[in-house]
Amino acid sequence: DVKVTQSSRYLVKRTGEKVFLECVQDMDHENMFWYRQDPGLGLRLIYFSYDVKMKEKGDIPEGYSVSREKKERFSLILESASTNQTSMYLCASSSYIPLGARDEQYFGPGTRLTVT
Amino acid sequence: DAKTTQPTSMDCAEGRAANLPCNHSTISGNEYVYWYRQIHSQGPQYIIHGLKNNETNEMASLIITEDRKSSTLILPHATLRDTAVYYCIVIMGYKLSFGAGTTVTVRA
Repeated sequence: DVKVTQSSRYLVKRTGEKVFLECVQDMDHENMFWYRQDPGLGLRLIYFSYDVKMKEKGDIPEGYSVSREKKERFSLILESASTNQTSMYLCASSSYIPLGARDEQYFGPGTRLTVT
Repeated sequence: DAKTTQPTSMDCAEGRAANLPCNHSTISGNEYVYWYRQIHSQGPQYIIHGLKNNETNEMASLIITEDRKSSTLILPHATLRDTAVYYCIVIMGYKLSFGAGTTVTVRA
């Protein structure tokens, strides 16, 4: 059974703290994604990685960075957490298909981050 | 990616078929129709996708009109565990973007 795991289900951090969110997949997928989901705004892509050490910005990369040192692990970093980064963070992975459209994404359970 | 329009909510009786409509009148020729769902407090779950032809898998069926401007997701025998928000997405590529979706409540 396919599995995407995230390091925490709930996290509370203070403004200005550096925050690490970890995601691990066991499907040997090339692609990994970080999204955030907010009421009224839906799901938005933060960053995407298509290979180890490779990354691309999504729609809302400001205030975030990512790291992918190993194929199975993709980290999202909030360099200096702010209250507007309070959100549900979702990690996903998918296999590589050249035309891009036919690979479903498998999601982790999400991390609900609160920044106070 | 083309925009989609879904009803805000719908109820369904347990054991009956649930038919979820989606309009995507601006869809382009190389865009796929995807359906995901999200059960409360869980990550989204892939259901099914299609381009032109109708598709069926162990979870659902997807009916796409001939002009591709709309589609219907069919859950053949809804159970209480199918209560979730269902998202219809039209996409070419990897960038998923969920709107509000349809909140489906299955009642006993």
